[in-house]
Formats: sequence, structure tokens, C-alpha cells
Amino acid sequence: EAGVTQFPSHSVIEKGQTVTLRCDPISGHDNLYWYRRVMGKEIKFLLHFVKESKQDESGMPNNRFLAERTGGTYSTLKVQPAELEDSGVYFCASSLRDTRVQFFGPGTRLTVL
Amino acid sequence: QQQVKQSPQSLIVQKGGISIINCAYENTAFDYFPWYQQFPGKGPALLIAIRPDVSEKKEGRFTISFNKSAKQFSLHIMDSQPGDSATYFCAASLRSNTGNQFYFGTGTSLTVIP
Repeated sequence: EAGVTQFPSHSVIEKGQTVTLRCDPISGHDNLYWYRRVMGKEIKFLLHFVKESKQDESGMPNNRFLAERTGGTYSTLKVQPAELEDSGVYFCASSLRDTRVQFFGPGTRLTVL
Repeated sequence: QQQVKQSPQSLIVQKGGISIINCAYENTAFDYFPWYQQFPGKGPALLIAIRPDVSEKKEGRFTISFNKSAKQFSLHIMDSQPGDSATYFCAASLRSNTGNQFYFGTGTSLTVIP
């Protein structure tokens, strides 16, 4: 069974540009989470989808970040316009509906210059 | 404000030794405490988890010790092996009206020397 996949694995963009990250969760997992880890810091929660609905987006830093999960399958996280402080590794994780066992993707390393 | 504090930041252990990573929390609403292991280029993978109604959980060489009164928990890796070299994250989770919430520590980079 395929695990959680993320694309791209790396992205280097300039300040002010737009980047879209994609996450494909494990098939059948209703829960999808986005996290971010800035170097040396904790893995920080961004938001949580249950199917296509945003259950909790309290961790989203500001309105430059937009997450979608159309059809309740894959999810995208768009950063527009990107700022230097947005650099970090963005992880996606998925889980079955009523469990707390999360499966993480390999992450997307975003560098904003 | 960091919900889960993890130490040390890095750890070097000889092969066969015991690796110990510590975490502390404040929120007594946390009711699930997982540990994740991350190898370079991979995402964190669940290693072992514990609920606060038990003081210890062991799976192979990995043991979680949980001290509810002190609000601390730790990961012990017995007979550490070079293949255990990775970054380890502790986490704490609680149920809220918006679903399960997870808070992670800052990670510990473990190096096991042959």
C-alpha cells in the first residue's frame, strides 16, 4: 500500500513568488493534516481536514496561506506571496477517521530567497 | 508558547548503550503521547505511544516511561544500534471540539557510534 506522498520534495523560490505544495494521503484516510518545521524548531500544526472540510485551521500563520482538499482526496497548500520566514519543511500526515495514528509524508523543503 | 519541551537537542551514544530522551508538558488535557522516529529524507514515523493511565510501555528495545504527576515522559532505547541513528520527536495529543490536536517537541538528533 502506498504511503503519504508529497510533491515537490524541494522548492526554491524568491520572495514574492507563489508556491503550491501537494499532498496525497493514504487512500481511505479521512483526516489530513499539514505541519511545518522551521529548522531546529518543533513540528508545528497548520491545519486539519476531515474529508474536504477544514476542521481546524488555527495554525495557519496568515492569509498568505491557502489550503484546499477538493473531493476529499489530495490536498494543496499554496503560499502567495512567499516571505523569507515561510522557509521550512512542510509535512503532510493522514489518518483514519477515529484514530490518532498519523502517517507522515516525506515533506517538502521550501526555501524562500 | 511551546506545549511540549524536549531535551536534549542532540545525543551521541556508543553502540550497546542506552539512549534517553526526555519530554515535559503542562496541559493536563493531553491524553496520548506518541514518539516518532525520522530518518534523513523521510517523514516522521510512529515508533511507540502511551496513554497516561500506564506508567511504562515497552516494545522491543524501545520503552516509554510516563510520570503523570511530574508531567514528564521519556523514551529509552536499550542496546542502541547504529541503525537507531535518527531524529526523534515526542508529541502530545488531546481531543478538542475540532478533532484531535497534536503538539510536537523540537526533536533530538541521536547518533549511535559503532
